[in-house]
Amino acid sequence: DAKTTQPPSMDCAEGRAANLPCNHSTISGNEYVYWYRQIHSQGPQYIIHGLKNNETNEMASLIITEDRKSSTLILPHATLRDTAVYYCIVRPLLYNFNKFYFGSGTKLNVKP
Amino acid sequence: EAQVTQNPRYLITVTGKKLTVTCSQNMNHEYMSWYRQDPGLGLRQIYYSMNVEVTDKGDVPEGYKVSRKEKRNFPLILESPSPNQTSLYFCASSPPGDSNQPQHFGDGTRLSIL
Repeated sequence: DAKTTQPPSMDCAEGRAANLPCNHSTISGNEYVYWYRQIHSQGPQYIIHGLKNNETNEMASLIITEDRKSSTLILPHATLRDTAVYYCIVRPLLYNFNKFYFGSGTKLNVKP
Repeated sequence: EAQVTQNPRYLITVTGKKLTVTCSQNMNHEYMSWYRQDPGLGLRQIYYSMNVEVTDKGDVPEGYKVSRKEKRNFPLILESPSPNQTSLYFCASSPPGDSNQPQHFGDGTRLSIL
């Protein structure tokens, strides 16, 4: 089920951009990439998702490589409140297509 | 405000005493799901429901029951709780999968079974 690979942890200075990578080399043509984050033990919070084009919203940007085998979540100006575990998820195509496999994620530490 | 509401948020109880964790969503979502989160194991799906009266097992259904009598509610039932069910539980909801909309999660319920 582990269709994504993320580094276990990353540090980022407050105010700088945080770039979180994710490998999903077995992704299928119609599978979306989703990003969530979990702050402490709160419920996972949706950030952004995309298929093949780059996406941007008020929280972040998502860059997907042309071959779709990897992506990068960018938080343009990280704050201390962005300290969280970030999960990259490939959404299943069929059957239980809302069963999100969260994996271990990346623990982002934003430092003053 | 669109939200998924779980109750209770915290519960300490004893082995064998039946309990129910309620989950309600106000977004008219068809799909609802329960996860548990344990250190080092990530979030694992317990049960899910595609719509009213349609439920199915996830990865770790043993010791749990669910029901979906109405669209907005999806309670999780522990008939005879045991200490290995001590965990952090999350309920989630979303529109149908082909709409490719994100899942929304509740704030979690921390259960301690003594």
